[in-house]
Amino acid sequence: NAGVTQTPKFQVLKTGQSMTLQCAQDMNHNSMYWYRQDPGMGLRLIYYSASEGTTDKGEVPNGYNVSRLNKREFSLRLESAAPSQTSVYFCASSPPPGTGGSTDTQYFGPGTRLTVL
Amino acid sequence: AQSVTQLDSQVPVFEEAPVELRCNYSSSVSVYLFWYVQYPNQGLQLLLKYLSGSTLVESINGFEAEFNKSQTSFHLRKPSVHISDTAEYFCAVSRPVSGGYNKLIFGAGTRLAVHP
Repeated sequence: NAGVTQTPKFQVLKTGQSMTLQCAQDMNHNSMYWYRQDPGMGLRLIYYSASEGTTDKGEVPNGYNVSRLNKREFSLRLESAAPSQTSVYFCASSPPPGTGGSTDTQYFGPGTRLTVL
Repeated sequence: AQSVTQLDSQVPVFEEAPVELRCNYSSSVSVYLFWYVQYPNQGLQLLLKYLSGSTLVESINGFEAEFNKSQTSFHLRKPSVHISDTAEYFCAVSRPVSGGYNKLIFGAGTRLAVHP
């Protein structure tokens, strides 16, 4: 049981380049989330997916797109990277109600450290 | 809308000393409250949470937090810290919603540095 996995761990991009951050969970969780972490600002929600087939904008969605590929996988795409997107990106998931797990705990991946030059 | 304020960005403390990390929240509705911990170069892990019931909640590694509704606070305490407690601590709130998911609102974080 690997929990939440993210790839890559590190990435350096030039301004204007595109890339996709991958996230997968093997805990059969319904809900998945993408956050960015910046110094002094905590974590801010970019997008979330309450269940397979649905996605919604969070607090800071501009410049990003997401795909909920299936129940396990939730990817984050930067179409044209900008220096303001330099950050650490975390994916998280949470279980559905009535399964014995708590709907109120999110499980985080190890993060992707992205630098945009 | 909910918001979270962590009053200290950094807290230096000596090993075996007590520590308190302060967290205040604002919300017009009932909320769930959480403390997450992030060890260096790792993702966040849940430390403890308050959903309902007893206002004092404890973690397995000696931390505790008390929900104070009148002061809208959820301060984290430990009577004696270890070097291994060095980490960044995030307070978070969520509003109970239907649909099987919750959106967490995080504070800016408090960096706890334990010195020998």
